[in-house]
Amino acid sequence: DGGITQSPKYLFRKEGQNVTLSCEQNLNHDAMYWYRQDPGQGLRLIYYSQIVNDFQKGDIAEGYSVSREKKESFPLTVTSAQKNPTAFYLCASSIRRGTGSYGYTFGSGTRLTVV
Amino acid sequence: DQQVKQNSPSLSVQEGRISILNCDYTNSMFDYFLWYKKYPAEGPTFLISISSIKDKNEDGRFTVFLNKSAKHLSLHIVPSQPGDSAVYFCAARGSGGYQKVTFGIGTKLQVIP
Repeated sequence: DGGITQSPKYLFRKEGQNVTLSCEQNLNHDAMYWYRQDPGQGLRLIYYSQIVNDFQKGDIAEGYSVSREKKESFPLTVTSAQKNPTAFYLCASSIRRGTGSYGYTFGSGTRLTVV
Repeated sequence: DQQVKQNSPSLSVQEGRISILNCDYTNSMFDYFLWYKKYPAEGPTFLISISSIKDKNEDGRFTVFLNKSAKHLSLHIVPSQPGDSAVYFCAARGSGGYQKVTFGIGTKLQVIP
């Protein structure tokens, strides 16, 4: 079965530490995305990547970094510079371009808590 | 600036009745609209979509209506079932090649048995 796998499901981080969230897809999708969900704020785009070795900042990229060395993988690092990292993080993928309803396929999310 | 607005944070409906979730948008360049359903601690799943060249799309119990002149779309669920209880996100995408999807803040639907 094709899909997106996010790991871990729950993650605890001490203040001042960097932490990396994993996202892997086997859908052969070109584009991948990271969103953050906070109560009452919907889904906000952190970073996205259309092709390997290329990525762009989304609406709230400060304090985050990404890499896209392989088509299947798009890890997100939450750095100590992110002032309020406690949130639910969602990874998604889609075909890069085309017509029609090429919506996103989402992973099951990672809940990050800073302790 | 919120380009996709879901003004009702929550909605309660009796089982068997119709659920109507509303969404407004401001960007006239959006050409495709999508609805996603999300359960707690899970990722959203795609539900139904509509192209800007249509005014209605139906899939089983789910129908999406688009009013381009009013920049308004709605999702109708008939009949509503307890398993429909979830957060519903309205989303929109622009035209031409790659365009990222913009999401609303979601409406929490509760279907009461």
